[in-house]
Amino acid sequence: AIQMTQSPSSLSASVGDRVTITCRASQGIRNDLVWYQQKPGKAPKLLIYAASSLQSGVPLRFSGSGSGTDFTLTISGLQPEDFATYYCLQDYNYPPSFGGGTKVEIK
Amino acid sequence: QVQLQESGPGLVKPSETLSLTCTVSGGSSSSYYWTWIRQPPGKGLEWIGYIYASGSTNYNPSLKSRVTISADTSINQFSLKLSSVTAADTAVYFCAMGLDKALVLPYWGQGTLVTVSS
Repeated sequence: AIQMTQSPSSLSASVGDRVTITCRASQGIRNDLVWYQQKPGKAPKLLIYAASSLQSGVPLRFSGSGSGTDFTLTISGLQPEDFATYYCLQDYNYPPSFGGGTKVEIK
Repeated sequence: QVQLQESGPGLVKPSETLSLTCTVSGGSSSSYYWTWIRQPPGKGLEWIGYIYASGSTNYNPSLKSRVTISADTSINQFSLKLSSVTAADTAVYFCAMGLDKALVLPYWGQGTLVTVSS
């Protein structure tokens, strides 16, 4: 099974900061990567699919990039509602595997 | 707007079978993936499996021997059964729906906590 490693596992940032989260796959997965945002007590929310395609309704400050084994999620101008945990998910092959999550906290 | 709602017992005894149902409302599509994902308290997400519109299923190998996902499209419901549960199966269980891709999931239920305990 493909292992997905996210870093950092947590970070502290201020409103307005640019935040970058990294996800690394244990083998190449083309661009078959999805990003989700999860707030406490809530279901995950789809942000980005195919590594860089923004889901409808998601603010433009979210962007994704990468292919192969290395991927990034960038939040340009962190907003109060962005404090949450972010997960990457590879959908290249089965079983699909999530990264361990990155918790974005308020500095 | 598509909405999903999980239902089922919040407490299951060890060695018994966990059974959950997800009711889907709003929207219609001939191509969809009805999916179950779980999250142990304080931990990350784990994909359990899906049933596609055609009726085909795909399960996580780590759970495959114990999992069954079925659907009743006439009432827009799909179900999860997980047999021989242990405390390790205690988690919030989410149902979700994807359209063209199995793991691109724009629609989710709110999740339901299932505790395995005697």
